[in-house]
Amino acid sequence: QIVLTQSPAIMSASPGEKVTMTCSASSSVSYMYWYQQKPGSSPRLLIYDTSNLASGVPVRFSGSGSGTSYSLTISRMEAEDAATYYCQQWSSYPPTFGAGTKLELK
Amino acid sequence: EVQLVESGGDLVKPGGSLKLSCAASGFTFSSYGMSWVRQTPDKRLEWVATISSGGSYTYYPDSVKGRFTISRDNAKNTLYLQMSSLKSEDTAMYYCARQDGSSPDAMDYWGQGTSVTVSS
Repeated sequence: QIVLTQSPAIMSASPGEKVTMTCSASSSVSYMYWYQQKPGSSPRLLIYDTSNLASGVPVRFSGSGSGTSYSLTISRMEAEDAATYYCQQWSSYPPTFGAGTKLELK
Repeated sequence: EVQLVESGGDLVKPGGSLKLSCAASGFTFSSYGMSWVRQTPDKRLEWVATISSGGSYTYYPDSVKGRFTISRDNAKNTLYLQMSSLKSEDTAMYYCARQDGSSPDAMDYWGQGTSVTVSS
């Protein structure tokens, strides 16, 4: 199965700061998906097909990448963005998730 | 408004069985593939099962194949997960999720989850 490695595991950012987190796949994937999860809540789809914003997602979020290397960027950190972010692939079965990047507010 | 409401989670002994349900509303349930995803106590997300919109096709990872069965009743707008031969490693929060209609590899709506604990 394809293993997704997210880095860093934990990070912190100040309001207004640019944030970038990465997801590395053990084999090439066609697309990457990103989810946001806040404590006590279920995951929320943020990015689909690598770079498309899901419905209702603020434009400060963006995704990019190809092959085995993907990233999620927040152009300007806001307090409400503190959460854990997971990448996911479904280019091959079984679909797999990364272990998550926990983003904290500095 | 799309809503997915899971139920059926419980404390069960190893080797036991449990059936989870997911009631869907706010969309045409019969038009969407559906999945179960679980989140382990260490917060890892694991895909558990997927079923096609009509119910003809099902998919499982090796870790649950032969023990779990996903099914759906489109007349009742309800998704199910029958779990048997439960193991301690099946302990998790179980979410049902809708496959995005325009990008089926994405899960665009998730329920609030139902907790399953396997322990003696």
